[in-house]
Amino acid sequence: GQQLNQSPQSMFIQEGEDVSMNCTSSSIFNTWLWYKQDPGEGPVLLIALYKAGELTSNGRLTAQFGITRKDSFLNISASIPSDVGIYFCAGPLRGGGADGLTFGKGTHLIIQP
Amino acid sequence: DTGVSQDPRHKITKRGQNVTFRCDPISEHNRLYWYRQTLGQGPEFLTYFQNEAQLEKSRLLSDRFSAERPKGSFSTLEIQRTEQGDSAMYLCASSPRFAGSFTGLGETQYFGPGTRLLVL
Repeated sequence: GQQLNQSPQSMFIQEGEDVSMNCTSSSIFNTWLWYKQDPGEGPVLLIALYKAGELTSNGRLTAQFGITRKDSFLNISASIPSDVGIYFCAGPLRGGGADGLTFGKGTHLIIQP
Repeated sequence: DTGVSQDPRHKITKRGQNVTFRCDPISEHNRLYWYRQTLGQGPEFLTYFQNEAQLEKSRLLSDRFSAERPKGSFSTLEIQRTEQGDSAMYLCASSPRFAGSFTGLGETQYFGPGTRLLVL
């Protein structure tokens, strides 16, 4: 099945710093989704990308759909304490159908005081 | 609140017991998905419904697991004869139907808060 590789696995940053994380796949994706998950909660959708090359922002978050359709990145500018959590990239398991999503293993963001 | 809701939020059971979880999707969404998430991993797809029809099951969904969506609204996931390996967070998600030609919107899934299962 399709696998998504996220890097880095974890990030230790200071408040106010910018953050960059990415996600790669061996297969082409038609959609890239970025989610954030807090402990004990379900993932919350941050940004959805539908076209190769698309660059989309949501407040301090910016995500891009790679031109090759095999990668995506998420940037967070001027991090704040509530940005702490696990960030997952996800894409459709197969093609553009309505079946489930496959997820990466996540990037754990930790903000040091 | 009009998001996806799940009940219960937590369930502790003894090995061998049956458990049932409920999911209420966003009201205008006709697709409903179940996922399982274990510690340190992303969610893993189990099954999905379009209206009341169960269209796909992953190989993770053993014969002890059954899901229903009888009226195309809420869904239940039952696990029979629970095993310790079933301990996980069970997540439900819903998505809207495609609007005409493919736009990718149908894959934009919105998750509930999950049901955390602990099998002793």
